[in-house]
Formats: sequence, C-alpha cells, structure tokens
Amino acid sequence: DVKVTQSSRYLVKRTGEKVFLECVQDMDHENMFWYRQDPGLGLRLIYFSYDVKMKEKGDIPEGYSVSREKKERFSLILESASTNQTSMYLCASSLGPGWGSYEQYFGPGTRLTVT
Amino acid sequence: TQLLEQSPQFLSIQEGENLTVYCNSSSVFSSLQWYRQEPGEGPVLLVTVVTGGEVKKLKRLTFQFGDARKDSSLHITAAQPGDTGLYLCAGVPLDDAGNMLTFGGGTRLMVKP
Repeated sequence: DVKVTQSSRYLVKRTGEKVFLECVQDMDHENMFWYRQDPGLGLRLIYFSYDVKMKEKGDIPEGYSVSREKKERFSLILESASTNQTSMYLCASSLGPGWGSYEQYFGPGTRLTVT
Repeated sequence: TQLLEQSPQFLSIQEGENLTVYCNSSSVFSSLQWYRQEPGEGPVLLVTVVTGGEVKKLKRLTFQFGDARKDSSLHITAAQPGDTGLYLCAGVPLDDAGNMLTFGGGTRLMVKP
C-alpha cells in the first residue's frame, strides 16, 4: 500500500513566522502535490512537482514555496504565515510519468492555525 | 462554477437508507475517480471508472460512469454510520491541455444510527 505521511497533524503558528510542512511518500511516485482544503472552497492545488527539483505552480501559489530535493520528499513553505493561511493542508502523490489522470494518494493532512 | 459539480452538497440520512450522489460536468473525461474523506483525515481513493457505461461495485457502494463520460454516480445501499464522510469525484477533462486532476466540491454525507 502507498503510504504518504505528513510531518504534523496539527500546527499552531504566529503571524509572520516561517512554516515548513513536510511530506514523504514511500512508493517511488514521480508526482507530488500540495493542496489546501477550506469549507465551501474544496481542494485547491498550491504547487506540484513531477520530478526532483522540478515544480509547477497550481491555482493558488501566492504566499507559498516548495522544495523537492529528494524524490520521496516534498516540502511546502509558508515564507511569512498570515491568518488567511489557516487551513487544512493535504499532500498527495501519484505514479507518473505525466501528472494527469493517475490516482492520487493522500496523506492525513496538517491542520494549520495561524494566530 | 466548478468543472465537476457534485450534488447534493449535504445529505443526512438514517442508518439503513439508500442514497445516490452525483458528479456532473459538461466536459468529457477519460476517467473519473471517487474518493472518501473521513473527518480529520485525507481523501482515500475508492474507485476509478474508465469506460462509458461502466459499473463498479465495492461492497454496498455502486459506481457508474455515464455513457458519454461526462458524469458519474455513487449509490450506497443500506447506509451505515461508517459511510459518513465527504465524497469527492475527480478527473482530467479530455480538452484540458494542462492535464491536471480537478476535484468536485464534494458531497458531505452523515449517516445517523
């Protein structure tokens, strides 16, 4: 079974702090994704990566950056956290090559609160 | 307007009842996926439907892909409290050059004992 793990289930940070969310997958998947999920807005793609050191912007990249130095690890960075970044953050991976219609496997999510 | 419209948005039923949720689009999809997300967890893939008209069963859950591959439905027979969660459909429209998986807004199901 594919396993996607996220570094924290719950996180509370202060406005202006730099926040790192880490995601690790153990199935040698090519693609990794970061989403945020908010009530009424559904799942929105922040960034994705289709290979080591490669990244592409999703629908809402502003205020975020990502890093993929190793195939199994994809990090989401909030450079200066703001209250409107309070959300549930979900990491996912999929097989590849290509990032399209492959099934995605999700981690358990990190509920981030910025105060 | 979302590319994939799910209905209803919310559904609250008693244990033992049957229900159907829908995932509709004006676009054609090569395949559609269904996920279930339990409270406080990430979505978990349930099934992928690929062929127009295809029906797949997963215990009490029946998934159907429309003949024109623009819509899908999920029918649950004799719902149980363990079926409670958010049901999401997702797919890549054939006319999408970006080839990104897009998610519907979800149907939030609550099954009361």
